[in-house]
Amino acid sequence: AQSVSQHNHHVILSEAASLELGCNYSYGGTVNLFWYVQYPGQHLQLLLKYFSGDPLVKGIKGFEAEFIKSKFSFNLRKPSVQWSDTAEYFCAVNAASGTYKYIFGTGTRLKVLA
Amino acid sequence: EPEVTQTPSHQVTQMGQEVILRCVPISNHLYFYWYRQILGQKVEFLVSFYNNEISEKSEIFDDQFSVERPDGSNFTLKIRSTKLEDSAMYFCASGGGAGVGETQYFGPGTRLLVL
Repeated sequence: AQSVSQHNHHVILSEAASLELGCNYSYGGTVNLFWYVQYPGQHLQLLLKYFSGDPLVKGIKGFEAEFIKSKFSFNLRKPSVQWSDTAEYFCAVNAASGTYKYIFGTGTRLKVLA
Repeated sequence: EPEVTQTPSHQVTQMGQEVILRCVPISNHLYFYWYRQILGQKVEFLVSFYNNEISEKSEIFDDQFSVERPDGSNFTLKIRSTKLEDSAMYFCASGGGAGVGETQYFGPGTRLLVL
């Protein structure tokens, strides 16, 4: 069955700490991978995406993610978080063909302490 | 930058009533979606819509649900007879159909509360 797992449900960090949020997927066939962020009271915004090519992708606001095919993982990283990164982060996967529907992970709620 | 919009932002209804949730996708997009998120749970796919017809629906999307694109700009989700368990945040999304990645852009959501 198609699924996405985000193992960290709640993360609390101090400003300037490094961040890594895990995402693992189970999906047959070629996939595209996404990270979205939802700031309090706002809609889901795309942080970054991976289709093909360089497995290390860079997104907005200093975020990056690495696709490791052998581990079915797409972990999100940021070297130094800021208070404004407090939000919920969602990993999502879709197939590279068909209806492109997303399968989402459960989300990780990040709180950054000033 | 173009955005997906949704109305209303909040809706409270009585069990058994019909509700219509409205979305205006990004104008040149071809693929349209509804997702929902029950409080504390993951975002779940409901339905995708392409070329004026449903292209895929989940097992959640039963006969109580329907979607329409009535006028080429709006995209609606109708729940005919709401149940308590329909209480959730409903997200509309649209995608450009570029064929690679199919990145989706999400609206702000409608929070539906069924009493």
